[in-house]
Amino acid sequence: DIQMTQSPSSQSTSVGDRVTITCRASQDINKFLNWYQQKPGKAPRLLIYAASSLQSGVPSRFSGSGSGTDFALTISGLQREDFGTYYCQQVYSTPFTFGQGTKLDIK
Amino acid sequence: QVQLQESGPGLVNPSETLSLTCTVSGGSMNNYYWSWVRQPPGKGLEWIGYIYYNGDTNSNPSLKSRVTISLDTSKNQFSLKLTPVIAADTAVYYCGRVPPVYYKPVDYWGRGILVTVSS
Repeated sequence: DIQMTQSPSSQSTSVGDRVTITCRASQDINKFLNWYQQKPGKAPRLLIYAASSLQSGVPSRFSGSGSGTDFALTISGLQREDFGTYYCQQVYSTPFTFGQGTKLDIK
Repeated sequence: QVQLQESGPGLVNPSETLSLTCTVSGGSMNNYYWSWVRQPPGKGLEWIGYIYYNGDTNSNPSLKSRVTISLDTSKNQFSLKLTPVIAADTAVYYCGRVPPVYYKPVDYWGRGILVTVSS
């Protein structure tokens, strides 16, 4: 199975900050990487697919980058509603595996 | 607007069968993959598997011998069976829709259903 490692595991940030979450795959996955946001008690929400494509309806302050083994999700100008846990998922080969999650707290 | 809704028992005895159904409304099941993902309480997400509208399936090898995913397009439903269950199968189970693209993102999700395995 492909292992996905996110960092940091948690981060406390302020409104307006630029935040970057990284995700590393245990092998080359090209751009087969999706990002999700999850709020407590809610289903995940798709933010980014194919490493850098913004899902319809997602604010443009979210962006994704990377290919191969190293990826990043950036939030430019953090808003209060962006708190939650963020997951990357590789879809290069089954089983499709998720990172362990990055919990964002808003100061 | 596509909507998905999980249904099934919230409590299952150990060694018995977990059976969940996902009902799709607001769209056709044709040409899409349909997915199951679970999340143990306080933990991360785990991919269970998916089924294509033509019936082709792919599931997590860690569960493969215990899991069955099926669909009934005439009812706009797909289902998950897991047997025999153990305590570690306690989780919120989510169903989702996956467009037929290489990157297989889950673009619509159900609200999730908590299933507890306990006697």
